[in-house]
Amino acid sequence: SQTIHQWPATLVQPVGSPLSLECTVEGTSNPNLYWYRQAAGRGLQLLFYSVGIGQISSEVPQNLSASRPQDRQFILSSKKLLLSDSGFYLCAWSRDRINYGYTFGSGTRLTVV
Amino acid sequence: AQTVTQSQPEMSVQEAETVTLSCTYDTSESDYYLFWYKQPPSRQMILVIRQEAYKQQNATENRFSVNFQKAAKSFSLKISDSQLGDAAMYFCAYNSYNNNDMRFGAGTRLTVKP
Repeated sequence: SQTIHQWPATLVQPVGSPLSLECTVEGTSNPNLYWYRQAAGRGLQLLFYSVGIGQISSEVPQNLSASRPQDRQFILSSKKLLLSDSGFYLCAWSRDRINYGYTFGSGTRLTVV
Repeated sequence: AQTVTQSQPEMSVQEAETVTLSCTYDTSESDYYLFWYKQPPSRQMILVIRQEAYKQQNATENRFSVNFQKAAKSFSLKISDSQLGDAAMYFCAYNSYNNNDMRFGAGTRLTVKP
């Protein structure tokens, strides 16, 4: 069966520090991968998605970037964090987004101080 | 662009009773898919139910069912025989057939009273 792993679960970082969040999927190949951010009390906002290695689409211009160095690995990064980057970050994958929807990781709570 | 609106920030239901969560969406497309996701306190997003727009029959998954009104662009979720474990944030989501961008509503927080 397919599983998705996301870490770390929580992270407290000072303003201006770098960020690296990692997401990996097991049990499937060539998944579609997604990074979402959930602000407090709000819905999910799509940040990046990838349909293959090295293919990244950005939905919202911001202080973050994403990379997909391997087929089942998706990384969210920042060179210098801002206070506004605080939030709950969710990674998701889909094999067939139409029929199955997305499967989400357990999320990372990021607090920038 | 497609938007998803959940007009009920919070709802509460008595255990064993039935509750309906509302969702409306805006789109000019004819082919799309709709989903309800549940996010319990653990924050894990769990797919509850999905509906294909081309199907007239409302989707049902055990105690969960939807009322899909395509002309009205409405997609409500009915939870029957509510259980304490149903307490969570519920998100309605829209996915176009052609885009890789699942749009989410702002969510409805459901409280289940014993």
